Amino acid sequence: QSALTQPASVSGSPGQSITISCTGSSSDVGVYNFVSWYQQHPGKAPKVIIFDVTNRPSGISDRFSGSKSGKTASLTISGLQADDEGDYYCASYTTTSTYVFGTGTYVTVL
Amino acid sequence: QVQLQESGPGLVKPSETLSLMCTVSGGSISSYYWSWVRQPAGKGLEWIGRIYSSGNTKYNPSLNSRVTMSVDTSKNQFSLTLNSVTAADTAVYYCARVKRVGAIHYYYMDVWGTGTTVTVSS
Repeated sequence: QSALTQPASVSGSPGQSITISCTGSSSDVGVYNFVSWYQQHPGKAPKVIIFDVTNRPSGISDRFSGSKSGKTASLTISGLQADDEGDYYCASYTTTSTYVFGTGTYVTVL
Repeated sequence: QVQLQESGPGLVKPSETLSLMCTVSGGSISSYYWSWVRQPAGKGLEWIGRIYSSGNTKYNPSLNSRVTMSVDTSKNQFSLTLNSVTAADTAVYYCARVKRVGAIHYYYMDVWGTGTTVTVSS
């Protein structure tokens, strides 16, 4: 299975909005609404911030939102804050009942 | 609050077997799916596979021939074994729980261990 494709890096100024794309295939993102997003700070374990394309777990800021169109899912971070800097990974369930992560995107807050 | 803790050797020789344990505390291992994920230094996350508390497993096809997972519900632990390791298996290994609410199993990992670094080197 191939990793989902994400841009290597995205940057924005505090207060701005940024969007990270996650492109898969008809075997994963394109067929299931089981896309999740994880935030990872250096030296820390990943933390889920979006599940099932658009849902936020309890305690996650509403500045994080998710969407999907066809084979591409997106994560939008609005009101960018310094603490948002870090790595972001999308993930999807697949037609072979496995799980695949994205290539990862590093978010820089300018 | 459920917590996960990985344990195992930090150094494994090439061609040998990597064995890791994940201990679940603060909750039961039963009726959940449990996953292993790894991350080479400076690189992305790779899903290794998952195991249900009954022992049912599903592995990443790219690792399928070398991976075995097992569960010991009496000890609230599950384990990962990876055979014939090479330097490419050097990574931080995480164990994680797949979210469940009642009878509904979701498709994301909501609780993660802190990770354990495994280096493959002679």
